[in-house]
Amino acid sequence: ETGVTQSPTHLIKTRGQQVTLRCSSQSGHNTVSWYQQALGQGPQFIFQYYREEENGRGNFPPRFSGLQFPNYSSELNVNALELDDSALYLCASSIGTQPNEQYFGPGTRLTVT
Amino acid sequence: DQQVKQNSPSLSVQEGRISILNCDYTNSMFDYFLWYKKYPAEGPTFLISISSIKDKNEDGRFTVFLNKSAKHLSLHIVPSQPGDSAVYFCAAREYSGGGADGLTFGKGTHLIIQP
Repeated sequence: ETGVTQSPTHLIKTRGQQVTLRCSSQSGHNTVSWYQQALGQGPQFIFQYYREEENGRGNFPPRFSGLQFPNYSSELNVNALELDDSALYLCASSIGTQPNEQYFGPGTRLTVT
Repeated sequence: DQQVKQNSPSLSVQEGRISILNCDYTNSMFDYFLWYKKYPAEGPTFLISISSIKDKNEDGRFTVFLNKSAKHLSLHIVPSQPGDSAVYFCAAREYSGGGADGLTFGKGTHLIIQP
């Protein structure tokens, strides 16, 4: 059974640029959730994708957007990067929209300079 | 406004003794609670969970207690082992009946098991 994988591991971008982060969900999981973890904080929910549609969203602006593909993999896109977007971005996969457990990938460390 | 609070940033416990990690929440609509463990450079790993209709759930060395009236839960690890040294996150889910709201996490407690 393959776990959740994310790419790239690390990324450095300049303020104002755009970035795309990728996630492959665990085998058999049809739901992907994205979280942002700033330094010293717990993960904060960005949004969830189920059956290729956004199914729920946290308190993040529209410049955070996503996609889910037929194979349940997912992308997180962030436009007009700001310094405060520097964080660890975590992807979690699960089964269904109200999962009891979510399984996390190792994350992508984004640094905005 | 933090809905899930872990007031101890760190906790040091001797190997073999009991570790108790605490978590408080403010949202009475939370219906499910989870504990995750995180090692450096890895994603959080699911540890144990409890439904709001229960007050205790046990899995090997790990036990979670829920006190709904106090809006408090705790994770007990006994006996504590060196491999338990990690950051522990308390998380909660609010059942929305429709779309997903994701999990709400606390800031974490860094547990250090000393030999």
